[in-house]
Order: sequence, then structure tokens, then C-alpha cells
Amino acid sequence: EAAVTQSPRNKVTVTGGNVTLSCRQTNSHNYMYWYRQDTGHGLRLIHYSYGAGNLQIGDVPDGYKATRTTQEDFFLLLELASPSQTSLYFCASSDKRDRNTEVFFGKGTRLTVV
Amino acid sequence: GDSVTQMQGQVTLSEDDFLFINCTYSTTWYPTLFWYVQYPGEGPQLLLKVTTANNKGISRGFEATYDKRTTSFHLQKASVQESDSAVYYCVLGDGSSGSWQLIFGSGTQLTVMP
Repeated sequence: EAAVTQSPRNKVTVTGGNVTLSCRQTNSHNYMYWYRQDTGHGLRLIHYSYGAGNLQIGDVPDGYKATRTTQEDFFLLLELASPSQTSLYFCASSDKRDRNTEVFFGKGTRLTVV
Repeated sequence: GDSVTQMQGQVTLSEDDFLFINCTYSTTWYPTLFWYVQYPGEGPQLLLKVTTANNKGISRGFEATYDKRTTSFHLQKASVQESDSAVYYCVLGDGSSGSWQLIFGSGTQLTVMP
């Protein structure tokens, strides 16, 4: 069973604050993803990576940076947090990116920007 | 652009009722259609996938097919249990942009009453 671990599970920050969300996967998957989940929108892709040092832009990247430091670790950075970034964030991983690929998700980080 | 529409935001059933959830999709490519399920406090997980129109995907008592003519796909289960209460996402796997992507519907919250 693929394992994706996110930390912290909950975070509250102030507007303009600096936040880093962490994700580690232990299955040697090539691809890692950051999604946000909002009511009425399902999951939307922020950034993804296919290996250490690589970063690809997703569908809703504005206000977010990401960095893949190792095969296992992927971070999402909010450098000037805004209330519109209050959301449930999911990290995910997969070994490939094609029509047969299953994506494995972590349990999520709930971020509140006040 | 490519899209998925999931109209049923909430469905409430009693145990042993029949479940039917429908989505429509739009793409110029040959899609794979997925159903992901999200239990409370967890990330989404793959329930089943259908890679070819009119073929059936089956998993854990759930069945899914998609119809290329009507660009619709659905999830059904003959007899739901309280443990099936969760959010169900229809997901379009699409490569028409030159890069494989997953497009999530907005989700259907299924509540099964004992």
C-alpha cells in the first residue's frame, strides 16, 4: 500500500504569513502532486513534480511555490498567505502519469488563513 | 476545455437502496474515467477505472461504465451499506493537452442511513 504522509495536519496562520506544508512518500514514486480541495470545486492541481529538483505548474498555481528536494519529499510554500488560500490541501504521488495510473493521496492538511 | 460535471451534490439513501451517480464529461481525446472515494478524515482513493467506452469497471460491489455517445459515465451499486457513506468523485483522465491530467468533478456526498 502506497504511503503518503503530510504534515502538519492542521495549520492556522495570519494574512501575510509564511507557511510551508510538507509531504513525504515512501514508495519511490516518480510523480508527486499538490492539490487543493474546496467545496463545489473538487480537487484542483496546484503544482507537480516528476523528480528531485523538477517542478511543473498545475492549474491553480498563483500564490504558491513548491520544491521537490528528494525523491521522497515535496513541499508547498505560501510566502504571503491570503484568506483565499484557506483550504484543505492534499499531497499525492504516482509512479507514472498515464491512462492506467493510480494516484495515492495523503490525509490532507487543513490550512486556515485569518 | 476539458471538463467534468457532477450534478448530484448530495445523495441520501437507506441501507439496501440502489445507488446511481451520474457525471458528464467533455474532451476531444480518448479518456479514461475514474471514480475516487473519500472517507471522512482521509484522502481520496481509487475505487475503480474504466479505460474503454461501454466496458464495465467493477470493485467492492460498485460498477461503472461510460457512454461515448452521450459523454456520460456513472457509478452504481445494487445495495448500499452505511459504511459506503463517503464523497464520490468522478474523474476524467485526459491527454488531449499533450500532458496527462486528472480533472475532478465537484463530488457527491453519499449518506446512507441505517
